Amino acid sequence: DARVTQTPRDKVTEMGQEVTMRCQPILGHNTVFWYRQTMMQGLELLAYFRNRAPLDDSGMPKDRFSAEMPDATLATLKIQPSEPRDSAVYFCASGNGDSLMDGYTFGSGTRLTVV
Amino acid sequence: AQTVTQSQPEMSVQEAETVTLSCTYDTSESDYYLFWYKQPPSRQMILVIRQEAYKQQNATENRFSVNFQKAAKSFSLKISDSQLGDAAMYFCAYRRGAQKLVFGQGTRLTINP
Repeated sequence: DARVTQTPRDKVTEMGQEVTMRCQPILGHNTVFWYRQTMMQGLELLAYFRNRAPLDDSGMPKDRFSAEMPDATLATLKIQPSEPRDSAVYFCASGNGDSLMDGYTFGSGTRLTVV
Repeated sequence: AQTVTQSQPEMSVQEAETVTLSCTYDTSESDYYLFWYKQPPSRQMILVIRQEAYKQQNATENRFSVNFQKAAKSFSLKISDSQLGDAAMYFCAYRRGAQKLVFGQGTRLTINP
């Protein structure tokens, strides 16, 4: 089965450090999402792209977060500088925007711990 | 803005029994999609079942079925013959077109042997 690949699976970092999370969407999928999951807030959308162009990043703290798609096979989410409140599981998901009935496929997530 | 509400933070069921998880949503749209995702302890989000709002027939996937009540904006998930492997967090989600998924807060399902 095709899968969305996220790296790293787990990351522990010190406050103030830069963190980069990577996602390889499923080949042929033209829509990529970044979600953050916390106990308090649940699953929140941070940003999403269609055909590599950002469509919505309103859920992302702009001062420290940035999301990019340098090419169709790679999406990145960067936090600089990281803070303890950024500790969460970050999910990448991909889908085909032309096939509306299909659900989006999620990666296994990156668990980020900022100490 | 669309919202999704899961009013049951936790549910439990005996193995082999049937359980129903509730979900309501708020939207002014008439055409949209609804999903149930399962998140086991491995944290992988797994699509369980999907429903198109313009279809009156309730979706079914093996032991999983939904009760879709469009007028009431209700989308419940029924799991029949519950198995230990069904233990997980279950998330209801709404999507309009090819836009983002909006998730409920989740229901933690425990299966008692």
